[in-house]
Amino acid sequence: EPEVTQTPSHQVTQMGQEVILRCVPISNHLYFYWYRQILGQKVEFLVSFYNNEISEKSEIFDDQFSVERPDGSNFTLKIRSTKLEDSAMYFCASSERGGTGELFFGEGSRLTVL
Amino acid sequence: AQSVTQPDIHITVSEGASLELRCNYSYGATPYLFWYVQSPGQGLQLLLKYFSGDTLVQGIKGFEAEFKRSQSSFNLRKPSVHWSDAAEYFCAVARSGGYNKLIFGAGTRLAVHP
Repeated sequence: EPEVTQTPSHQVTQMGQEVILRCVPISNHLYFYWYRQILGQKVEFLVSFYNNEISEKSEIFDDQFSVERPDGSNFTLKIRSTKLEDSAMYFCASSERGGTGELFFGEGSRLTVL
Repeated sequence: AQSVTQPDIHITVSEGASLELRCNYSYGATPYLFWYVQSPGQGLQLLLKYFSGDTLVQGIKGFEAEFKRSQSSFNLRKPSVHWSDAAEYFCAVARSGGYNKLIFGAGTRLAVHP
């Protein structure tokens, strides 16, 4: 069964360092998303991406964050200068279509900022 | 603003017992409603969804949920719980037009006693 894969599963970094989280969406999917879950808090929407551009972003997704689809298979989330409060589980998701297309989530990448 | 409340943080049931997980939402129009499950070390998996029509929806793994507009609720039920159902369950809402931005509840962690 096709699935969304994320790497790394866990990354530990120092405050101020750049981090790139990688996702391989399901191959025929066109819509891509990042969500995050700070420990003990709700899963929160960060950004949606379609046709090589951001279609929607939350207020969390500030200038420190960027997303990219560098090739035909990967979808990345970059955090330019990590802060302690960026420590969270980051989930990538993809869907075949927008609107009512079902979201398929990856297993998450846990980011720990020291 | 849209919001989702899951009043129960932890629930423990005995294997074979029935289960009901509560979810209340706040949304001005007809919402799209979802239940996701997250098993340890796994991503978020869609259990079921409600867009319109029959207010009782069937999902995977023997789960069902009922949309009650008058109570702004979308409670998840299962008549007989299995040990493998132990996981965290998330209710989510999206504005009409679909999935692009899900608003999640805080989750309910389910433990199952043998």
